Formats: sequence, C-alpha cells, structure tokens
Amino acid sequence: GQQLNQSPQSMFIQEGEDVSMNCTSSSIFNTWLWYKQDPGEGPVLLIALYKAGELTSNGRLTAQFGITRKDSFLNISASIPSDVGIYFCAGQRAGTASKLTFGTGTRLQVTL
Amino acid sequence: SQTIHQWPATLVQPVGSPLSLECTVEGTSNPNLYWYRQAAGRGLQLLFYSVGIGQISSEVPQNLSASRPQDRQFILSSKKLLLSDSGFYLCALYLQGGRGYTFGSGTRLTVV
Repeated sequence: GQQLNQSPQSMFIQEGEDVSMNCTSSSIFNTWLWYKQDPGEGPVLLIALYKAGELTSNGRLTAQFGITRKDSFLNISASIPSDVGIYFCAGQRAGTASKLTFGTGTRLQVTL
Repeated sequence: SQTIHQWPATLVQPVGSPLSLECTVEGTSNPNLYWYRQAAGRGLQLLFYSVGIGQISSEVPQNLSASRPQDRQFILSSKKLLLSDSGFYLCALYLQGGRGYTFGSGTRLTVV
C-alpha cells in the first residue's frame, strides 16, 4: 500500500537542539496527524491538523498543515532525551472509512 | 475515554501453525476498527478495517483474515503462518468526529 514520503529517515542530534521533519504526498489529504512511537509500543498521537495552512503547537512541538494539502511539517524545539523515538506522519482523506496512510517514519536519537 | 486491549503482547509461533490475535475496545460503541502491521524499522501498513459488526475490508492480499463478531471485538487470524507474517501487529480504533486514531499496545509476532 501507499506510504507517504517522510524525511529525514533518521537524525542524531544533541540535547537542546531543534528538530525538523517533513512529510510529502502526491495526493491531497484532509487531515494530517503526527504520532510518536516508543520501542515496543503503539503510536501515540502528538498533533492533529484539520485545515490547510493550520499551525498547531503542543508544548515544544509545532506542526503545520501545508497550504497545498500535500505536505506537513513537525518541529521539536529544545530537544530532550525523552524525545527519542520514531515519529510518523499520517494523512487521512474524507470518505475513505477514515483510513490512515502513514509516512515511513523518522527515527530520532538525542545525545547528551 | 476509549481504550484498546490487545493480547498477547508477544508471541512465537512455528511456521504452519494457526494464529488468533484479539483486540477489544472499551468506552465507546460503533467504532471503526483497524489492523496494522509494522515490519522491523518500517512504517505501518493497513491490513484490514471494519466499520461495523461482520463488515471486513482487506487492504492487501495476504495470508491473514479478520473478523468482527461483536461491536467491540476485532480478531486477526491465520490458518497457517508463514515466516513473512512476522511483525508488530497493531489494532486501532477511530470514532467519527474524533481526533485521529487510538492505537493498542501491539503484539509482536515471531514466526520460526
């Protein structure tokens, strides 16, 4: 099945640095979601975006719904060790039984 | 709030043996339910979804099947497991008007 293009695939950053990752699609989505997955666990929703151009924050996380509706961005400011994990974007289209199409994931590792 | 229970957490099964993974939901009614599979280091692939009792849609041809005998129960099965069935299986629910999916904690299946 289709997966969204997510980049970068992995990142090694130092504690305190800011992080940016993005997700692109060849088709339009009505909703963009960002999830974080810890090892051996299910993904947990971080931010949901419902409108083109929308910019939403959740603590140190900020995500944007691209105006073309074909992309989304996630920024993490002042990273801390517990930010380690895999981040997934996901897109949702109307009228598709609410199925999600997931990105390929960005593995984030934070060094002290 | 809604919760999802998945079991077992880990499972090691020989090739050719049957499989039954169960997912139950609490705190909601008439959810959309989904089974995803995640290969090691990869994104999530949608296997099946269900919008109601007895209604199953398959996303990819495969060795697995799904059933929804009750509103809050979703079962993933196989008559004969293949090595390629190994992976991390996640159940998820979605409520109309809700904010994205809620995922279960997953079952790690290793076929040997």
